[in-house]
Amino acid sequence: AQSVTQPDIHITVSEGASLELRCNYSYGATPYLFWYVQSPGQGLQLLLKYFSGDTLVQGIKGFEAEFKRSQSSFNLRKPSVHWSDAAEYFCAVGPPRDMRFGAGTRLTVKP
Amino acid sequence: DAMVIQNPRYQVTQFGKPVTLSCSQTLNHNVMYWYQQKSSQAPKLLFHYYDKDFNNEADTPDNFQSRRPNTSFCFLDIRSPGLGDAAMYLCATSGTSGTWEQYFGPGTRLTVT
Repeated sequence: AQSVTQPDIHITVSEGASLELRCNYSYGATPYLFWYVQSPGQGLQLLLKYFSGDTLVQGIKGFEAEFKRSQSSFNLRKPSVHWSDAAEYFCAVGPPRDMRFGAGTRLTVKP
Repeated sequence: DAMVIQNPRYQVTQFGKPVTLSCSQTLNHNVMYWYQQKSSQAPKLLFHYYDKDFNNEADTPDNFQSRRPNTSFCFLDIRSPGLGDAAMYLCATSGTSGTWEQYFGPGTRLTVT
């Protein structure tokens, strides 16, 4: 069965600094990979997704992620963080209809 | 805008009193999912419908049931809520092309007293 590990429970960055959130997965076939963001008390919003093609994926809100098969990773990056990016971020791995989420990384943004 | 709607946003029920949570969608997606998310945890898939085909996760308690009367609506029934069922319940939908990405509703926060 597939599984996802997000090693960082909580990350604090300064506004304007770069960000990288780590995600490692375990899956026997080509994975469907997703990053979602959740603001307090809200549902999840899809940031970006990957199944095939270019391994560097662009998403909404200036986020990108890179799929590295050799490292079983799908890390999320943003070059310059804004205060509004403070939220919980979840990595998820497919297959379709059976998606598994990581435990999440809480991002705090310092002024 | 096409969307996933959950009602109510907040639900309080008493221990052992049946409760129903509602989800509707305007995306015309084939697949609808229910997740349970406890505080500071990842969403956990309870079950999903592919059209009328119901798929239950092996570890979903029998206390949780679901109905999908038509494409647009899906309900989560908790027959006898316990204190441990207090959580956020998220409904999601997906199409069946491409990456099947899921679109989530805002959730219903259930409190059990």
